[in-house]
Amino acid sequence: NAGVTQTPKFQVLKTGQSMTLQCAQDMNHEYMSWYRQDPGMGLRLIHYSVGAGITDQGEVPNGYNVSRSTTEDFPLRLLSAAPSQTSVYFCASSYEGGTAGELFFGEGSRLTVL
Amino acid sequence: LAKTTQPISMDSYEGQEVNITCSHNNIATNDYITWYQQFPSQGPRFIIQGYKTKVTNEVASLFIPADRKSSTLSLPRVSLSDTAVYYCLVVIIGYQKVTFGTGTKLQVIP
Repeated sequence: NAGVTQTPKFQVLKTGQSMTLQCAQDMNHEYMSWYRQDPGMGLRLIHYSVGAGITDQGEVPNGYNVSRSTTEDFPLRLLSAAPSQTSVYFCASSYEGGTAGELFFGEGSRLTVL
Repeated sequence: LAKTTQPISMDSYEGQEVNITCSHNNIATNDYITWYQQFPSQGPRFIIQGYKTKVTNEVASLFIPADRKSSTLSLPRVSLSDTAVYYCLVVIIGYQKVTFGTGTKLQVIP
């Protein structure tokens, strides 16, 4: 049981490049979400999904796209990377979503945009 | 969404009990209080959750007064490995946007 797995762990991009951060969970959780963490700012919610085919925006969705074609996977896409997107990204999943359910986090993906 | 306020940082010596208080004046009837712990270079980890009075597990205790406008996370006899950032969240039942603040950075000193 791997929990929440994020890849890659580290990535360096040039401004304007695109990439996808992968997130997979093997706990059959319906709820999945993406956060970014910048120094001194805690975690900010980017996008979330309450099940396959259903996604919605969080606090800071601009510049990011998501899709949820399966229960297991929730990729985060940067279509045209900008230096402001340099951050550590965390994927999380939960059985019950934003209820009393516990959020399980991945180990993070550190992205640097030059 | 209820806003939470907690100290930015705290220091404690090893072996002491640490109490981190969180203020959530606008908490609503359906809100739960949840605490997470985050070590450097790791994702946050759920510690404890409660609605009112006291909740205890193998890691911590959570004290919530009757008016629920604040809560206190209590860590008994901390060790160096408890050095981390602790986040207080107010989670609304059935609401999917789970938001984190900046947390409290706890430094345990030998």
